[in-house]
Amino acid sequence: QQQVKQSPQSLIVQKGGISIINCAYENTAFDYFPWYQQFPGKGPALLIAIRPDVSEKKEGRFTISFNKSAKQFSLHIMDSQPGDSATYFCAAMGGVMDSNYQLIWGAGTKLIIKP
Amino acid sequence: DGGITQSPKYLFRKEGQNVTLSCEQNLNHDAMYWYRQDPGQGLRLIYYSQIVNDFQKGDIAEGYSVSREKKESFPLTVTSAQKNPTAFYLCASKIPDRAWTEAFFGQGTRLTVV
Repeated sequence: QQQVKQSPQSLIVQKGGISIINCAYENTAFDYFPWYQQFPGKGPALLIAIRPDVSEKKEGRFTISFNKSAKQFSLHIMDSQPGDSATYFCAAMGGVMDSNYQLIWGAGTKLIIKP
Repeated sequence: DGGITQSPKYLFRKEGQNVTLSCEQNLNHDAMYWYRQDPGQGLRLIYYSQIVNDFQKGDIAEGYSVSREKKESFPLTVTSAQKNPTAFYLCASKIPDRAWTEAFFGQGTRLTVV
């Protein structure tokens, strides 16, 4: 019940296209859903995050869509650029019942944007 | 500038040897974490600490040990009991009393057994 399932494992998108990465969770106590971006040989960095009280959050070309009833959330990268090529991780964190405030991580998606 | 510093960037370990990975942060965060990352896999939690002088095992603690004597420092020792230590190790920190805050990561240490 603590798992976050992420798909696809890898994704190739043409420059200018839309990249979509999906995550699903089981634990309804999760109330914070961040996406992290990791370049090779570097640590992950926060890209965008959402709380379940909204269905969508947009920051520039990056959008999180959240479906609370389906327990799914996704990252959309519009007008994908070669510089977006990286590994993307979704994560989830519990609410007031989770005293450890630990992030539960998806397995990651390696995104390649072809020029 | 505030941040997390991991050292060294690359580390080579001989069979049967213990090695220690350094993690220092100046973000004034109480919580610190160690993750292991293997190729094509996600982040697996090794140990975490919510406060000085206290730490808990994560999902894959066997063969590893930590200490938290100072708020700023959370070193990880990879012992000889860890049979497959070759991996990319990441240290992170965050504010534990506010759940919905960013976790900051260091640049990682790549450990290789030779």
